[in-house]
Amino acid sequence: AQKITQTQPGMFVQEKEAVTLDCTYDTSDPSYGLFWYKQPSSGEMIFLIYQGSYDQQNATEGRYSLNFQKARKSANLVISASQLGDSAMYFCAMRGTSGGSNYKLTFGKGTLLTVNP
Amino acid sequence: DTAVSQTPKYLVTQMGNDKSIKCEQNLGHDTMYWYKQDSKKFLKIMFSYNNKELIINETVPNRFSPKSPDKAHLNLHINSLELGDSAVYFCASSQPGGGEGTGELFFGEGSRLTVL
Repeated sequence: AQKITQTQPGMFVQEKEAVTLDCTYDTSDPSYGLFWYKQPSSGEMIFLIYQGSYDQQNATEGRYSLNFQKARKSANLVISASQLGDSAMYFCAMRGTSGGSNYKLTFGKGTLLTVNP
Repeated sequence: DTAVSQTPKYLVTQMGNDKSIKCEQNLGHDTMYWYKQDSKKFLKIMFSYNNKELIINETVPNRFSPKSPDKAHLNLHINSLELGDSAVYFCASSQPGGGEGTGELFFGEGSRLTVL
C-alpha cells in the first residue's frame, strides 16, 4: 500500500519568494511515480510535475521543481518566484506498480498555500 | 475541446434519492477513475476501470455503482443517497503508469453533490 504524508496544512509566502511544500511517502513497490497537483479555489485539478523513482535527475517544469530524495522518501515541491496566482491547495500523489496500485493515484491531504502581496 | 467532461456540475437532492453523474473523455485513454473529495479536501479513490473492466473498488458502499459502457465513458450511479455522500466527485482518465508515459491523471471539473 502507498501512503503520502503532507505535514503542512497551510503555508504562507511573500510574492516573488521561493517556497517548499513538503511531501514524504511510503511504499514497498520497487518503482513508482510521484506527482504534484494544484487545486485553485475554482476547484479544478491541475497537474504540475512528475518524478519517476528511477529518474536520475530531479524534475523541473518552469517555476516548479521537485526535490526528490529517494533515501529519505521525500518529494518536496519547490515553487520559485511565487506569484499571487500560486495561491491554491497543493497535493502530492503517488502511483505504484504492483497489486493494482498502478491503476490509481494515492493523494496526500494537501497543503494550502497563500501568497501574500 | 474538453478532455474530460462530467455532468452535471452541481446536484442538490434529498436523502434517499438516486442520482447519476456522467463522465466522458476524448483523450483515448484506457483507464478511468472516480475520486471523492470530502469537505476537508481529501481526495480518495473510489473506482478505477481499465478498458471497461473494473480494476479497483476501494471499499465503496454498494449504493455506488459505476458503469463503463465503453472505454471513453464511466458513469456513477448512487442509490439511496445519505448526508455523508455530500462531496465533490471527480472523474479522471489516464494511460497506465510506467513505460514511456507518466500516467498522470487528467481530471474533469468535478460534480458537487449536496444531499439535504
